[in-house]
Amino acid sequence: DIVMTQSPDSLAVSLGERATINCKSSQSVLYNSNNKNYLAWYQQKPGQPPKLLIYWASTRESGVPDRFSGSESGTDFTLTISSLQAEDVAVYYCQQYYVTPFTFGPGTKVDIK
Amino acid sequence: EVQLVESGGGLVQPGGSLRLSCATSGFTFNSYWMHWVRQAPGKGPVWVSRINSDGGNIIYADFVKGRFTISRDNAKNTLYLQMNSLRAEDTAVYSCARGHSSGYNLPGYWGQGTLVTVSP
Repeated sequence: DIVMTQSPDSLAVSLGERATINCKSSQSVLYNSNNKNYLAWYQQKPGQPPKLLIYWASTRESGVPDRFSGSESGTDFTLTISSLQAEDVAVYYCQQYYVTPFTFGPGTKVDIK
Repeated sequence: EVQLVESGGGLVQPGGSLRLSCATSGFTFNSYWMHWVRQAPGKGPVWVSRINSDGGNIIYADFVKGRFTISRDNAKNTLYLQMNSLRAEDTAVYSCARGHSSGYNLPGYWGQGTLVTVSP
């Protein structure tokens, strides 16, 4: 199975400041035929199901604010919130959907400092 | 509006069975691949199973193979998960999710879920 790791486990950021979450896959999730990484980012708020933010490592889902962005470098992936808002307090998960089982990272909790 | 509404969860003894349903609306159900994903209390999501649009292509996580069966009724716009030989470690909120248009193996839109508790 592909193991997804995330860092940090949690972080606290001041309103308006940048938040950066890292994710690493234990093996490549790059599909050579289309040169896309099969890596997604989700946001989960308390009592709610996960909400898809980013797919193909860097493509923002429709309706997601542009302060959320994803980037990739090999098997390392980053979710950046450029200017943290109060409504961004949540747990963020990365997931690979390249091969089964489709595995998730352990999550990163983002809070307001 | 896309809606996924799970039902069928509850308290069951170890070794017992449950059948979960996911009633859908707001989209063309028979065009989408569907997933079941679970989340134990306080833990991250874990993918369980995926079925293609006509039910002919199904995959499971190893930990449910031989115990759980995913199926769908396209006439009723409903997804199912038959769960047998339940164990304490199967305790979780089970959510159905619609495959994303960019990649059917991506659970793009999730329902709220139904809680399954396996306990004596």
